[in-house]
Amino acid sequence: GAVVSQHPSRVICKSGTSVKIECRSLDFQATTMFWYRQFPKQSLMLMATSNEGSKATYEQGVEKDKFLINHASLTLSTLTVTSAHPEDSSFYICSARDQRWLGTGERGTQYFGPGTRLLVL
Amino acid sequence: ELKVEQNPLFLSMQEGKNYTIYCNYSTTSDRLYWYRQDPGKSLESLFVLLSNGAVKQEGRLMASLDTKARLSTLHITAAVHDLSATYFCAVNTGNQFYFGTGTSLTVIP
Repeated sequence: GAVVSQHPSRVICKSGTSVKIECRSLDFQATTMFWYRQFPKQSLMLMATSNEGSKATYEQGVEKDKFLINHASLTLSTLTVTSAHPEDSSFYICSARDQRWLGTGERGTQYFGPGTRLLVL
Repeated sequence: ELKVEQNPLFLSMQEGKNYTIYCNYSTTSDRLYWYRQDPGKSLESLFVLLSNGAVKQEGRLMASLDTKARLSTLHITAAVHDLSATYFCAVNTGNQFYFGTGTSLTVIP
């Protein structure tokens, strides 16, 4: 199956610094990628939809100036947490949508990255 | 706003027993997914259900979809300890996924 990677897998930073997380689709092109946040023992919450070559679409309540998303190529989207604070500590997961027709009817299947655990001290 | 609810949120069951996890969603959907998440890990895809009446089985897990009732079920047969994990359903509508609340399953020897 398709593979999505994230880097870094874990990051610890001081309050006030910015952190960039990369999401790459390794063997397919993804015009659309998604960023999720997951707090401990909770579900995944969609933060934003990242569209290649255009601005990201943010979910209600997500600060676009704080969570900067760039989707500069068909295989890479980045999420930058600016001026991070302890409440931003979370597990961030990206997914990439494979637009190819797979024959089994699963067109547009999303593949999830391994996640990035962010701890802000 | 689309809502996806799972029931139960927590499930503790003995090995060898059967149980069903329910996933209700509030609006029409293109397709429904089931995922497994182990602690500290990302999501593992289990099933994709594409149409009303769809049923898929893999090992001790079987998923079904009733689009009229906006309900999907994940049935566990003769549970084993390795099935302990958190299970999420997710509804795909348009270009977006909406995840259920999750069901934390613990299988007790």
